[in-house]
Amino acid sequence: EAQVTQNPRYLITVTGKKLTVTCSQNMNHEYMSWYRQDPGLGLRQIYYSMNVEVTDKGDVPEGYKVSRKEKRNFPLILESPSPNQTSLYFCASSYTGDVSNQPQHFGDGTRLSIL
Amino acid sequence: SQQGEEDPQALSIQEGENATMNCSYKTSINNLQWYRQNSGRGLVHLILIRSNEREKHSGRLRVTLDTSKKSSSLLITASRAADTASYFCATDGGDRGSTLGRLYFGRGTQLTVWP
Repeated sequence: EAQVTQNPRYLITVTGKKLTVTCSQNMNHEYMSWYRQDPGLGLRQIYYSMNVEVTDKGDVPEGYKVSRKEKRNFPLILESPSPNQTSLYFCASSYTGDVSNQPQHFGDGTRLSIL
Repeated sequence: SQQGEEDPQALSIQEGENATMNCSYKTSINNLQWYRQNSGRGLVHLILIRSNEREKHSGRLRVTLDTSKKSSSLLITASRAADTASYFCATDGGDRGSTLGRLYFGRGTQLTVWP
């Protein structure tokens, strides 16, 4: 089954404790992206990757890191999480980075709570 | 900053009624997409309409696009309880520089369909 898989689905942690949210897709997509969703603010793009070893900042990259060493994986790293990073996070992918011309495939989300 | 803004923020109707949601955006676009998000799940692509199209249908969905007004509408006919979800429009940046990889989502319309 074609899918985007995020792990973990839920995480409660404390300020400053490094964490990684994994994202994996099995559709051989070149493009992957991370969003955060907050009440009243909708989805905001954090980082995106046009292909392996190519990453770029979105609208809200501060406090996050990403890497794209393999085509299928695009982990989101919070080196020193803070409470303002408490949010619902989504990973998405598509065949290419021409995102306006094709549907995005989303994971089911990761709910992070930073205490 | 967000490109698309949905209106209304919330919509509550009875089964069998039609639901209309609107999306306004700020700059010119190449294409516009609509997504649905069920509670606790990721976004699911519904339909894509190109800037040279005025109307598009998919099952019970009808999408219109008016580039002169920078607006789009999503009509769901004969709504069902299963249509209860949040609906988002997503746009590219159009002619404002490089837009590859960038997709901008609105805050969404929460639709509730009562049995």
